Amino acid sequence: QVQLQESGPGLVKPSETLSLTCTVSGGSVSSGSYYWSWIRQPPGKGLEWIGYIYYSGSTNYNPSLKSRVTISVDTSKNQFSLKLSSVTAADTAVYYCARARYNWNPRDYYYYMDVWGKGTTVTVSS
Amino acid sequence: SYELTQPPSVSVSPGQTARITCSGDALPKQYAYWYQQKPGQAPVLVIYKDSERPSGIPERFSGSSSGTTVTLTISGVQAEDEADYYCQSADSSGTPGVFGGGTKLTVL
Repeated sequence: QVQLQESGPGLVKPSETLSLTCTVSGGSVSSGSYYWSWIRQPPGKGLEWIGYIYYSGSTNYNPSLKSRVTISVDTSKNQFSLKLSSVTAADTAVYYCARARYNWNPRDYYYYMDVWGKGTTVTVSS
Repeated sequence: SYELTQPPSVSVSPGQTARITCSGDALPKQYAYWYQQKPGQAPVLVIYKDSERPSGIPERFSGSSSGTTVTLTISGVQAEDEADYYCQSADSSGTPGVFGGGTKLTVL
């Protein structure tokens, strides 16, 4: 069964760029059946969707983060990645990667995350 | 921006029925999904497309939709169901991942 694992620095300085990678095992990011997503959760708070990427490189981002977010995919490594620039303490959170099922047909439109990584904690502090 | 509204907390006794609501203007036209999150763990999908249950999720979990409100129902609540529950849906402008604020279910 597919598994996802986040990796990256646990501490990032303010104003710098947060970079995380999600490694997919037991499945392929090149599968056209899924979108690959990032979600975060600040300490003690709720979930916030960051964005997704398709194997072709097509992306969609949360409008509130769009100016600072870049999601990319490396099919040769079976990985996808998140970059968040100009971070502040407000970006301190557990970051999750997830696999999403989708259908963009307006008559049966859906998008939901059915497999999640365990999450990785990123703290923004000097 | 679009919002999905959930009650902050719901409390029930073991064996009773818990109902957690999620309200949003776009819900009549968009599916809703529900996730269960226990402390220190990643969320787990428990309901998709309003009322479908993934394999491995107990039958006591069910979902329904009526107008601008969707409801997650847990029948015969067990102690292990104590968790935070989040609804997720899409807005009408192309953002597919909008989450509600979450509801903490306490089993008394």
